[in-house]
Amino acid sequence: GQQVQQSPASLVLQEGENAELQCNFSTSLNSMQWFYQRPEGSLVSLFYNPSGTKQSGRLTSTTVIKERRSSLHISSSQITDSGTYLCAMVSNTDKVVFGTGTRLQVSP
Amino acid sequence: EAAVTQSPRNKVTVTGGNVTLSCRQTNSHNYMYWYRQDTGHGLRLIHYSYGAGNLQIGDVPDGYKATRTTQEDFFLLLELASPSQTSLYFCASSEQGYSGNTLYFGEGSRLIVV
Repeated sequence: GQQVQQSPASLVLQEGENAELQCNFSTSLNSMQWFYQRPEGSLVSLFYNPSGTKQSGRLTSTTVIKERRSSLHISSSQITDSGTYLCAMVSNTDKVVFGTGTRLQVSP
Repeated sequence: EAAVTQSPRNKVTVTGGNVTLSCRQTNSHNYMYWYRQDTGHGLRLIHYSYGAGNLQIGDVPDGYKATRTTQEDFFLLLELASPSQTSLYFCASSEQGYSGNTLYFGEGSRLIVV
């Protein structure tokens, strides 16, 4: 089965609204990473977050390792936030597994 | 910011054709990876390497060869391309292995096999 489940699969927001993206893992993990994929396809690392909470501007990532989950909070969304958000887990055997992503669309 | 450059960015080839995707990273990272991305599957690891001359098999290696000629350069080879290899391919690098290290991705190479 899918080791990394992301939810929601897609999300439509009005500009200024907040978003909460979830990542759940079916196996024990060592750490995890959040990526943003631009509409044209390129990937950007947002957070490497093995545990706890990290913030960068309007983005906040919280990982709870023992509950096998991580979240990405986007506050005051902007049109330029549109794209796909991917999470990836690093297992205890150093294997990386990606989720299938949350597709975000922010409208004016 | 790590720089990972892929070429070509777009490629169309015929079934049975020969394709080489190139990747260069300029930040002296030890690890380099090739992934493919397909709808419904996310990113899947094809091959990776932890140094010049080294090659490790990933999760979906069938139909692909790879070669790491230098620390900077990692190539993905499709010697008999098939339509099932139509995909978006990403190269990535990291300083060490996954644990404790951020992955830096290239811009992607879109391959269509007709």
